[in-house]
Amino acid sequence: GESVGLHLPTLSVQEGDNSIINCAYSNSASDYFIWYKQESGKGPQFIIDIRSNMDKRQGQRVTVLLNKTVKHLSLQIAATQPGDSAVYFCAESGRVTGGGNKLTFGTGTQLKVEL
Amino acid sequence: DAGVIQSPRHEVTEMGQEVTLRCKPISGHNSLFWYRQTMMRGLELLIYFNNNVPIDDSGMPEDRFSAKMPNASFSTLKIQPSEPRDSAVYFCASSLAMVGDQPQHFGDGTRLSIL
Repeated sequence: GESVGLHLPTLSVQEGDNSIINCAYSNSASDYFIWYKQESGKGPQFIIDIRSNMDKRQGQRVTVLLNKTVKHLSLQIAATQPGDSAVYFCAESGRVTGGGNKLTFGTGTQLKVEL
Repeated sequence: DAGVIQSPRHEVTEMGQEVTLRCKPISGHNSLFWYRQTMMRGLELLIYFNNNVPIDDSGMPEDRFSAKMPNASFSTLKIQPSEPRDSAVYFCASSLAMVGDQPQHFGDGTRLSIL
């Protein structure tokens, strides 16, 4: 039969504009969240993380916002560049036996930057 | 700095053959994770190790899959016998556990095609 793949939502932005990528997470007990960027043919690359005791964290051109009330996470990219074109994943995490984090990934958002 | 190193980058083999994927985590990291990525199911955690000990293998699809970590700098994921539905990109990731919340860092994956 015909196989159906995951439908990745796509966000198209003009170069220089700001991008906002959203993510809803499922586990209210998750206490650590990470955003990853995945370019074609490469592994997910760490962008920024945030702990549940914070609601905002800023990096270089990126900001992550966390709203625990509605279990929502967003990634804001300022002055989007062509090199930002990729699939972006949010991941939620809880502590695991023996230390460390076990991540659950969202389905991803394809960001396309138009010149 | 050397990141997570995976080999081979690409593997094409016939069904029924044994496949061995290899991973060298980042030096000093003590947690190692194996993931599988497909269009149908996205990123799935297969198994993870803390301090070379398998902690959770509930994501391993079936008995045909096995993983080992004989020392802190090397892990293997083996599929025997391989089947066409095992075709996917397999990622290895590592992190520094026991030091609070830490992101996982991914290799560039092994693209596996089973004919």
